[in-house]
Amino acid sequence: KNQVEQSPQSLIILEGKNCTLQCNYTVSPFSNLRWYKQDTGRGPVSLTIMTFSENTKSNGRYTATLDADTKQSSLHITASQLSDSASYICVVSAEYGGSQGNLIFGKGTKLSVKP
Amino acid sequence: NAGVTQTPKFQVLKTGQSMTLQCAQDMNHEYMSWYRQDPGMGLRLIHYSVGAGITDQGEVPNGYNVSRSTTEDFPLRLLSAAPSQTSVYFCASSYSGTGANGYTFGSGTRLTVV
Repeated sequence: KNQVEQSPQSLIILEGKNCTLQCNYTVSPFSNLRWYKQDTGRGPVSLTIMTFSENTKSNGRYTATLDADTKQSSLHITASQLSDSASYICVVSAEYGGSQGNLIFGKGTKLSVKP
Repeated sequence: NAGVTQTPKFQVLKTGQSMTLQCAQDMNHEYMSWYRQDPGMGLRLIHYSVGAGITDQGEVPNGYNVSRSTTEDFPLRLLSAAPSQTSVYFCASSYSGTGANGYTFGSGTRLTVV
């Protein structure tokens, strides 16, 4: 069964500190992996996307890594800001050919950045 | 601004009532989908469409209907609302179903069924 597991479920850090969020998946056949940021009361917004051949992708203070062999991904946030407080969702796309792709969502990690 | 527009943002229904959640996108995306988000769970696919006139069921389709008469619009209809349908609903669109070009989500509709 295709699954995406995220850890931790929630995390509290102080402003300015770094943190790393984890995503383990069992999705086949794998197409791509995205990290989304979801602010409270808003829809998810894409941060990064990685395909099978990519190991690292950065977007400002966000750096995502992908290990396709172990089926693990991480999202590292550097020098956290209060505006980073949100849920971070790992989404893996399974490729079934053409337009019949299937997204498998993790439950998300709720990050709270405190001053 | 280009994107996915959902209306209404909030809605309270009584059990048994019907309603339509509206979704419109102006990016000429072929692929559109509806998700529900419940506490402690990942987003779950309700219905999706790969183009005008073509729809299909997702993971949790019971109690919901969709149609796609135009590329831009993808309304979600609740036939007879039940408390179990209390949730936050998101509409999303993409160039392709695999999400290779990215999914754009609307800001959501928070529905409460009493």
